[in-house]
Amino acid sequence: QSVLTQPPSVSAAPGQNVTISCSGSTSNIGKSFVSWYQQIPGTAPKLLIYENNKRPSGIPDRFSGSKSGTSATLGITGLQTGDEADYYCGTWDSSLGAGVFGGGTKLTVL
Amino acid sequence: QITLKESGPTLVKPTQTLTLTCTFSGFSLSTSGVGVGWLRQPPGKALEFLALVYWDDDKRYSPSLKSRLTITKDTSKSQVVLTMTNMDLVDTATYYCAHRGRTTWHNWGQGALVTVSS
Repeated sequence: QSVLTQPPSVSAAPGQNVTISCSGSTSNIGKSFVSWYQQIPGTAPKLLIYENNKRPSGIPDRFSGSKSGTSATLGITGLQTGDEADYYCGTWDSSLGAGVFGGGTKLTVL
Repeated sequence: QITLKESGPTLVKPTQTLTLTCTFSGFSLSTSGVGVGWLRQPPGKALEFLALVYWDDDKRYSPSLKSRLTITKDTSKSQVVLTMTNMDLVDTATYYCAHRGRTTWHNWGQGALVTVSS
């Protein structure tokens, strides 16, 4: 059972927009920056968003992140078939003294 | 360009000790704020943090696995080694090493599948 809570799956048509939520607590999201990772099946996770809303170089601005209190959200606009992947939120938990992740959300682009 | 690569056995028997090596390039583990960690992902399941070592040798472990894990660094070789004792069938997973800045896992290795079976 993951420390952070994500919906197991979301789906939308190409061109549409989607959001993925990540819920935590005061000891993790409430105190630390949130990151988002994209994992295409069979490959390693790839950093999409860090420090709540920053994009590494090479990540298109179709991807965005936000955080409020003990929750965070990943937004993807103009969905493409290549966006089909598993998405994970992650942060640090100060009570555990360890990194924590969500259970992952499978995005299907219909 | 930062790269990391995991190496080690692909198959271990129950109760054995697993030793994995992460060899990296493109950064130094002597630079302030930098860390290298290990994470894993059982087949079809979520990511799980295992251990992290920082540039100053500060170490962090998953509370649930702490008694079984040891992480060490060799800065001169650009390597980080993870040992996990008393391996069990449930430890079958892809093990990743990753480069950590102050707030996130920036770069990941390709992963190494480790199967625990007798």
